[in-house]
Amino acid sequence: QSVLTQPPSVSAAPGQKVTISCSGSSSNIGNNYVSWYQQFPGAAPKLLIYDNDKRPSGIPDQFSASKSGTSATLGITGLQTGDEADYYCGTWDNSLSAVVFGGGTKLTVL
Amino acid sequence: QVQLVESGGGLVKPGGSLRLSCAASGFPFSDYYMTWVRQAPGKGLEWISYVSHRGDTIYYADSAKGRFTISRDNAKKSLFLQMDSLKVEDTAVYYCARQMATITFGQFYYYGMDVWGQGTTVTVSS
Repeated sequence: QSVLTQPPSVSAAPGQKVTISCSGSSSNIGNNYVSWYQQFPGAAPKLLIYDNDKRPSGIPDQFSASKSGTSATLGITGLQTGDEADYYCGTWDNSLSAVVFGGGTKLTVL
Repeated sequence: QVQLVESGGGLVKPGGSLRLSCAASGFPFSDYYMTWVRQAPGKGLEWISYVSHRGDTIYYADSAKGRFTISRDNAKKSLFLQMDSLKVEDTAVYYCARQMATITFGQFYYYGMDVWGQGTTVTVSS
């Protein structure tokens, strides 16, 4: 049972947009910065978003994110089959004094 | 280029020990917090531990407390994870990662993990 809650899977057609939600509480998302990661099978995770909504150098603006209260959302536009991967949210939890992750969301581009 | 390379994984029996290493290059290692994250087969990411840039602040996940010890050698640009009393459920790919974090006016701010190694596999089995 992950501290942060993500949908197990999402899907959308090529070219469309999809959003992935990440729900937490005041001890984590509500008072800390959220980051998002993309992971392909057999590969290491890759940082997509940090500090709630900032993209590292080299990450296309196809990826965007926002935070409101105790929830965060990752948006991916112009979907391609190459975007099929697992996506994770993460943040710090003040009560646990620990980094916490969501359970991950598998994106399928139909 | 900026790179993290883990090593030290392998097959170990329950109750055994293993020491993982992570060699950093391409960035000022001593300026950054560093962290270990693991991923059990078919499961999600699980944070294990982090150490501050000077090594004076360390946190562990409950699953690691009392059994795992994180350390770093800034002169050798290396991060370590000593794992003792290993259990079958510790079987996972272990990643080291560079952690973006600061302490400002006594408040800890965590921003994310921006550089990851390729991972090293630990299998605990009899």
